[in-house]
Formats: sequence, C-alpha cells, structure tokens
Amino acid sequence: AQTVTQSQPEMSVQEAETVTLSCTYDTSESDYYLFWYKQPPSRQMILVIRQEAYKQQNATENRFSVNFQKAAKSFSLKISDSQLGDAAMYFCAYRRMDSNYQLIWGAGTKLIIKP
Amino acid sequence: DAMVIQNPRYQVTQFGKPVTLSCSQTLNHNVMYWYQQKSSQAPKLLFHYYDKDFNNEADTPDNFQSRRPNTSFCFLDIRSPGLGDAAMYLCATSRDGRRGYTFGSGTRLTVV
Repeated sequence: AQTVTQSQPEMSVQEAETVTLSCTYDTSESDYYLFWYKQPPSRQMILVIRQEAYKQQNATENRFSVNFQKAAKSFSLKISDSQLGDAAMYFCAYRRMDSNYQLIWGAGTKLIIKP
Repeated sequence: DAMVIQNPRYQVTQFGKPVTLSCSQTLNHNVMYWYQQKSSQAPKLLFHYYDKDFNNEADTPDNFQSRRPNTSFCFLDIRSPGLGDAAMYLCATSRDGRRGYTFGSGTRLTVV
C-alpha cells in the first residue's frame, strides 16, 4: 500500500526567507501524481502545486516550487520570499494513475511565519 | 466563479439527532468526495461518487450515508451523531483527479 510521510509536524520561518517542507512517499507504481495542498486556519483547502511522476522537470507556481526526486521518492516544497499569508497547514498527497481517484495524504506540516 | 459550496458553515446538532450536510458545485465535475477532518489531521475519505456510482470506504461507519441526486449536489447524512463525529466535513470535486481536487470551505459539526 502507498504511504506518504511528512516528517516535520511544524516549521517556522522568518518573513521574506525561504523554507522547505519535506515529503516522502512509498509506492511500487511508476506513474502517479503528487500534490501539495495548503489549508489556512479555518479556511478552505487549496491546491498549491502538482507534479506528474513521468515529468522530470520540477513544477513551479510563482513563489512555490518542488524538488521531485523520483528515485528517492521525495517531493519537497520550497516556498521563497515567505509571506504572512503563507501560514497554514501544508499537506502532501499522492494519487495513483488508475481510476481509484483516492488521494493518500501525509499528516501535514504546520508552517509558522515570523514577522 | 465556478466553485464548491458547502452549507451550513457551522452546524450544531444534538447527540443522536440526524443531521444533513450539503455540498453543491458549479464546476460540472463528475467526481464528488466527502472527507472528515479532525483537528489539523489529514482529511479522511468517507466516500465518493463517480457520476452516480457510489463508492464507500471500507472503514466508513454505517452511521454515515450519502446521496447525490444530480451532478451538482451531494449530501452527507449522519443518522445518529455521536460525540466522536464532531469534526470538519469537507466536500471536494474533481474531473478526473489528475489536476487535483477543488474543496469547499467545509462544515464544522459540533455534537452536544
């Protein structure tokens, strides 16, 4: 069975600095999708970034980028120029390519931004 | 804007009194999901619909039921809420899951 591990329950970063959240996963599949979701306190879960496993190029969305290491089964999220609005729970998630449609979630990392 | 809307935002119900949570979407996505989330934990999938096909997770209690009368609407029925059912309930949709899910704002359920 696939599993997703986020080893950092909580991270803090100074505003305007860069922070990296780690995520590792275990799968025997060769094709799959990986996602990072952000959930601010009492607010909606939103998709931050996604990565297709067959693409070697790391996904980037503005200040958010990933370091996808397929062989190491690692999918870390880098947030550059951290802003107060980045404070949230961040969840890493995995999805198989078949029609299962189910996401496998990590336990989440709480990101604190220090002003 | 196309979106996923959950009502109500907050729901208080009595122990054992049936309660229904609703979710609507304007995205025309064919897959709809119900998740239960407790205190900053990862969401736990309860069930999902692919069009009208209902898929129940093996560990979802029988106390939880769902209805999807049409593409746009999906309901979560809790037949006899217990104190352990107090949680945030998230509705999400996807077209095929590849681009990720779109979540609603959630309904926070309190059981008294």
